[in-house]
Amino acid sequence: GESVGLHLPTLSVQEGDNSIINCAYSNSASDYFIWYKQESGKGPQFIIDIRSNMDKRQGQRVTVLLNKTVKHLSLQIAATQPGDSAVYFCAERTYSSASKIIFGSGTRLSIRP
Amino acid sequence: KAGVTQTPRYLIKTRGQQVTLSCSPISGHRSVSWYQQTPGQGLQFLFEYFSETQRNKGNFPGRFSGRQFSNSRSEMNVSTLELGDSALYLCASSPQTGTSETQYFGPGTRLLVL
Repeated sequence: GESVGLHLPTLSVQEGDNSIINCAYSNSASDYFIWYKQESGKGPQFIIDIRSNMDKRQGQRVTVLLNKTVKHLSLQIAATQPGDSAVYFCAERTYSSASKIIFGSGTRLSIRP
Repeated sequence: KAGVTQTPRYLIKTRGQQVTLSCSPISGHRSVSWYQQTPGQGLQFLFEYFSETQRNKGNFPGRFSGRQFSNSRSEMNVSTLELGDSALYLCASSPQTGTSETQYFGPGTRLLVL
């Protein structure tokens, strides 16, 4: 179950630094946005989500920022650890079709020791 | 509580054959969604089943079909396989349909079509 990896943008971060992964979305009608993490050999794992009426939400070591004006979503990971190495996907859903998740293309995060 | 399980994990088929993949959702979850993941197209929604009925469908040809059983387990079938069907097929479950509840993904079935 490794993530699609042939042409993914890559972000390389020093261990202990903060990581910022960006995502642009196109559907202004989306009601909420989600970040998933996919490690090699596994399916996507939910990290955090945010509703369209919010602009910031924090979790454990992660923060998601939503800028609806420019249709931009970001995931900030504080104090990046080796276990954070994975492909990160942003995704969007609408209430009318909530079970259908539209995924972005993904960003590979690699951690330098 | 056990996670979403998918069988088989790996599968090799030849063009023209058909294949059936299985997904067992988390206990108590009644909604099962299927996704296809390829290097070229990324993760794409195939369909969702809830209470043995298809609730949502993505933009895939009719060769892709599915069903759900009364115990919420789901199968998807691909007939007349094409080389381009080689992909990781992911199943996700959630408690209900049409809600914002998190979907939990299984490890996937990797299908190779020769």
